[in-house]
Amino acid sequence: DTGVSQDPRHKITKRGQNVTFRCDPISEHNRLYWYRQTLGQGPEFLTYFQNEAQLEKSRLLSDRFSAERPKGSFSTLEIQRTEQGDSAMYLCASSGTGPRGTEAFFGQGTRLTVV
Amino acid sequence: AQSVTQLGSHVSVSEGALVLLRCNYSSSVPPYLFWYVQYPNQGLQLLLKYTTGATLVKGINGFEAEFKKSETSFHLTKPSAHMSDAAEYFCAVSGTNAGKSTFGDGTTLTVKP
Repeated sequence: DTGVSQDPRHKITKRGQNVTFRCDPISEHNRLYWYRQTLGQGPEFLTYFQNEAQLEKSRLLSDRFSAERPKGSFSTLEIQRTEQGDSAMYLCASSGTGPRGTEAFFGQGTRLTVV
Repeated sequence: AQSVTQLGSHVSVSEGALVLLRCNYSSSVPPYLFWYVQYPNQGLQLLLKYTTGATLVKGINGFEAEFKKSETSFHLTKPSAHMSDAAEYFCAVSGTNAGKSTFGDGTTLTVKP
């Protein structure tokens, strides 16, 4: 088990471009979460999946953001028409459910810089 | 609804001194409580958690925290600071879905030689 993996680790993009991030959770975990962390702040919940179903989305997830988990394994987070305010660290986490759901394991994050 | 307040955005201690990082929470359901550590440009590493049972929980690297329901607090302590403890620390609260947490704004711990 190599933990939660995120790719890329760093992304620099021009304003208006689309970007996509990937998250590979711990293999036996059926829940997957996305968070956004801006400088000097704690992570903020964006959305989560149980298997392939997206069960909850935060109001922070504007219509320019879309997340998928097509086969209940890896997930992608896409941001369309990026804005400078999208610059942040995007964190992915995974967990099990029931007794195996008492903690989430975080990836190393993807640092997005919009110029 | 849930919220977390971390008192003191910056804490500085001398090496070998007691570390105390404060966290107060509010939750409309029985809380799960967590402390995470984050090093620059890294993800979050879980230090310890409280779910149910014993209110004094021990974590990695000599850290511990006590859940005090009457005070809605979950303060983090370590008897003797080490230089390697210098990092950002986050307190978080959730319901039974541990991955859907609300985080505080963090406390930066500086350890002076």
